[in-house]
Amino acid sequence: GQNIDQPTEMTATEGAIVQINCTYQTSGFNGLFWYQQHAGEAPTFLSYNVLDGLEEKGRFSSFLSRSKGYSYLLLKELQMKDSASYLCAVRVKNRDDKIIFGKGTRLHILP
Amino acid sequence: DADVTQTPRNRITKTGKRIMLECSQTKGHDRMYWYRQDPGLGLRLIYYSFDVKDINKGEISDGYSVSRQAQAKFSLSLESAIPNQTALYFCATRGLASTDTQYFGPGTRLTVL
Repeated sequence: GQNIDQPTEMTATEGAIVQINCTYQTSGFNGLFWYQQHAGEAPTFLSYNVLDGLEEKGRFSSFLSRSKGYSYLLLKELQMKDSASYLCAVRVKNRDDKIIFGKGTRLHILP
Repeated sequence: DADVTQTPRNRITKTGKRIMLECSQTKGHDRMYWYRQDPGLGLRLIYYSFDVKDINKGEISDGYSVSRQAQAKFSLSLESAIPNQTALYFCATRGLASTDTQYFGPGTRLTVL
């Protein structure tokens, strides 16, 4: 079966750092995506990890450990516009090359 | 212009009506997807297509049908809408490279009364 777990909600303060965790158990693994989704809008791509380690992209970084089935998204210098849901999604290694989405973590930023 | 467009953006309809949601893309991608999103349930795959002759059911295809009229167009139909099909619907496309992400349309908010 396929299972992706991430916290439902998190709260952080403007200017701070927050880490959003994601654990997965899937039948085959071929990469992990993070998406940002503002309320009522489409998800937009943030990062992609296929190898273990940290990928840094400006204020956002994403980490992957394939042996632990674990990833995190790190957001630094939080801004009010970072208030959104963050979706973890796993690319499954099968014929259809599907992407399976977690339920998302809603991040609230306090001033 | 947006790469992935959806029409309509909002629709209110009544139980039993037939509804079609349309998706067009200019990214030249072969793969297209329809998802629905409900609060607390995340994105769930309804149907997906790898080309005009290759259409596959997703995890929640009951009550829905699709048509891939061309590489650029993928339509989702609700033959007889019911209230629990009230949701936010997204179309997405994806290229063939291993690192290719999915590109989502702006969404259609459907309410079935």
